[in-house]
Amino acid sequence: KNEVEQSPQNLTAQEGEFITINCSYSVGISALHWLQQHPGGGIVSLFMLSSGKKKHGRLIATINIQEKHSSLHITASHPRDSAVYICAVRWWETSGSRLTFGEGTQLTVNP
Amino acid sequence: KAGVTQTPRYLIKTRGQQVTLSCSPISGHRSVSWYQQTPGQGLQFLFEYFSETQRNKGNFPGRFSGRQFSNSRSEMNVSTLELGDSALYLCASSLNWDQPQHFGDGTRLSIL
Repeated sequence: KNEVEQSPQNLTAQEGEFITINCSYSVGISALHWLQQHPGGGIVSLFMLSSGKKKHGRLIATINIQEKHSSLHITASHPRDSAVYICAVRWWETSGSRLTFGEGTQLTVNP
Repeated sequence: KAGVTQTPRYLIKTRGQQVTLSCSPISGHRSVSWYQQTPGQGLQFLFEYFSETQRNKGNFPGRFSGRQFSNSRSEMNVSTLELGDSALYLCASSLNWDQPQHFGDGTRLSIL
């Protein structure tokens, strides 16, 4: 069964801390997405990557295709970063945009 | 540039009824995907449309259906509603399958 696993499920940090969220998947993928969901439900796409590393502001996403593993890093965390972070993948054998999601990581950043 | 618009935002129905949800993608986006999010199952793929054709379908019963119009707007329909259909339904659009998806704010459906 094609699976996506995230860790940790819950993460509490103090403002300014460096944060890492991990995502592992079971078989080959063509793309991996990192998404952010705030209370109320709206989802924002943070990154889409298939190799290497991407950076946007304080956010960095990396992927290791051989290890089937991706990480999302947040530098100098801030209370406004509090949200659910979701990893989603598009499997190699999938046609179209179909995504399979991890369970999400609830991040709380305290001031 | 306007984002993905979903209507309505909130909906309350009773068991046995049917419901239609609407999604207007970002202008120029031809791919529209629908997802269901529940506390127990998380986010699950429902179906994807591209140029008015269903390109992919998730593991949902036939009560769940959808369509896409020539202007790329999409609708999904759920017939004979069940309590378990209570969920947040999200729509996402992209230029094509290999492009980032842009999500709407969702429609929160409650079944009484």
